[in-house]
Amino acid sequence: EAQVTQNPRYLITVTGKKLTVTCSQNMNHEYMSWYRQDPGLGLRQIYYSMNVEVTDKGDVPEGYKVSRKEKRNFPLILESPSPNQTSLYFCAKQGGGGGNSPLHFGNGTRLTVT
Amino acid sequence: DQQVKQNSPSLSVQEGRISILNCDYTNSMFDYFLWYKKYPAEGPTFLISISSIKDKNEDGRFTVFLNKSAKHLSLHIVPSQPGDSAVYFCAASALQTGANNLFFGTGTRLTVIP
Repeated sequence: EAQVTQNPRYLITVTGKKLTVTCSQNMNHEYMSWYRQDPGLGLRQIYYSMNVEVTDKGDVPEGYKVSRKEKRNFPLILESPSPNQTSLYFCAKQGGGGGNSPLHFGNGTRLTVT
Repeated sequence: DQQVKQNSPSLSVQEGRISILNCDYTNSMFDYFLWYKKYPAEGPTFLISISSIKDKNEDGRFTVFLNKSAKHLSLHIVPSQPGDSAVYFCAASALQTGANNLFFGTGTRLTVIP
């Protein structure tokens, strides 16, 4: 079964304290991506990765970094979190069928920045 | 600017009746459309999709209709069941451009009343 695992599920932090949200997949798929979900705005893409060492900005990349050193993992890094990054974050991978395969999402990480 | 719009934040339907969720898009390059369902504390899960070469796709109780000239799609659930109560997101991508990225609507919360 295709799985995307995010950790932690809940995180409360303070402004400016660097944090990393991890994401891993168990199917060796190439495409992975990060979204944030906010009330009234739906899911917006932060960053995506087409393959190892290939990453690109989505719609709302400011304040975030990602890395893709291996196919399995795609961590989201907030170097200096701010309160406007309080949100629900989802990591996703694309199924093995290519561009028209649906995304599989993790269960989310709820981040609060005070 | 929101390229995929779901103008109804919520919808309540009696069990056994039809649920119709609507979605509009503005980008004429979109050629692949999906619906996701989201329960609380879980990530979105894929429900059904449709390519722009079709105007209808059916999967059990779920049918998606696409009206390209109106840039409108809808999801029909017949008959509706209490377990269908969730937030439904419409999403679109422009596969012809080689992009895998999905653009999401803001979601519609469906409540099916027993």
